[in-house]
Amino acid sequence: DVVMTQSPLSLPVTLGQPASISCRSSQSLLHSDGNTYLNWFHQRPGQSPRRLIYKVSNRDSGVPDRFSGSGSGTDFTLQISRVEAEDLGVYYCMQGTHWPPYTFGQGTKLEI
Amino acid sequence: EEQLVESGGGLVQPGGSLRLSCAASGFSFSGYWMNWVRQAPGKGLEWVGNIKEDGSEKYYVDSVKGRFTISRDNAKNSLYLQMNSLRVEDTGVYYCMRGGVWGQGTTVTVSS
Repeated sequence: DVVMTQSPLSLPVTLGQPASISCRSSQSLLHSDGNTYLNWFHQRPGQSPRRLIYKVSNRDSGVPDRFSGSGSGTDFTLQISRVEAEDLGVYYCMQGTHWPPYTFGQGTKLEI
Repeated sequence: EEQLVESGGGLVQPGGSLRLSCAASGFSFSGYWMNWVRQAPGKGLEWVGNIKEDGSEKYYVDSVKGRFTISRDNAKNSLYLQMNSLRVEDTGVYYCMRGGVWGQGTTVTVSS
């Protein structure tokens, strides 16, 4: 199984400042079809996860442009240009290239 | 609006069974693979399994193989998760998911 490793696991932030979360996979996520199936999800306390980014860098509908995803191969990053209060919660990366199983990172808690 | 609504969770004793349902609306249900994802209390996300559009292929995480069965009824726009031989470690919130669309989750508690 592909192991997804996020860092840091806890990220203290200041509102209005940038934030960055790293996600590394135990093997390359480049699929034979040329796509890289790496997603980012955000989960607020007591709520369902929401997908923010799919295939490394594509923002889902309604996701603010302060969120951006980048990376390739085994190293990926989620960046928030200016953190807002609604961004607090836990962020997960998930790979969909080598399945089954789909695998998630441990989660990164964004907190003040 | 694309929507998924889970139901069927509850309290069950170890070794017992439970059947979860997920009602889909707002999109062409029969055209998508569907997934179940779970989250133990205070823990991260774990993919449980999925099913192909026509139900002809199903895949599971190792920890539930032989105990859980995913099925679907495209005429009813519904997804199911039959859970047998439940264990304490199966406790958590179960979500049905289709990429960027998640339900609100249903809680399963396995305890004596």
